Amino acid sequence: AQKITQTQPGMFVQEKEAVTLDCTYDTSDPSYGLFWYKQPSSGEMIFLIYQGSYDQQNATEGRYSLNFQKARKSANLVISASQLGDSAMYFCAMRERTSYDKVIFGPGTSLSVIP
Amino acid sequence: DTGVSQNPRHKITKRGQNVTFRCDPISEHNRLYWYRQTLGQGPEFLTYFQNEAQLEKSRLLSDRFSAERPKGSFSTLEIQRTEQGDSAMYLCASSLSYGYTFGSGTRLTVV
Repeated sequence: AQKITQTQPGMFVQEKEAVTLDCTYDTSDPSYGLFWYKQPSSGEMIFLIYQGSYDQQNATEGRYSLNFQKARKSANLVISASQLGDSAMYFCAMRERTSYDKVIFGPGTSLSVIP
Repeated sequence: DTGVSQNPRHKITKRGQNVTFRCDPISEHNRLYWYRQTLGQGPEFLTYFQNEAQLEKSRLLSDRFSAERPKGSFSTLEIQRTEQGDSAMYLCASSLSYGYTFGSGTRLTVV
């Protein structure tokens, strides 16, 4: 069963606007972590932000914030003030403590920032 | 350079040949993961090492695939008798706690 769902295959956003990338997940493990990674066309996976399942506050890293709604099993990424360099694939991912901490990835969302 | 290093960056091979990829993790990281990523998809987990022990293998890892991590340092991923369906990006990641650091990957093309 798919554990990470990203329902937006592609998204467009105007430069300097904010954008939300959706992610829902499924797990029975009470202890887990959620990540977002960025993959530009060059191929490297760039870590953006992390949210632990017991963290009380939503994670923020510069222009990135994670809207964590635990009851809804939702972990949306918000990018504020989009820049042209934000155009890339974005992957939501989850680590389960009961599974050797391995991380499983969603199918990704392609973000294009329009000048 | 203290990042995760993968070699080669690109590999083109004929169907039926064997290929081997190498991953050098961050030196203090005891956990090492291999993933495969096909075009337009998210990375798929292949296998996991804690130090030199291979603790988990995905069903994606057929008997043509083998991975090692001698002495808990670098790791190699070998594919025997390559098939066209093996064409993908092979990503290595290392970890000490909750975060992964990925290498730049090895792009394999089987012709």
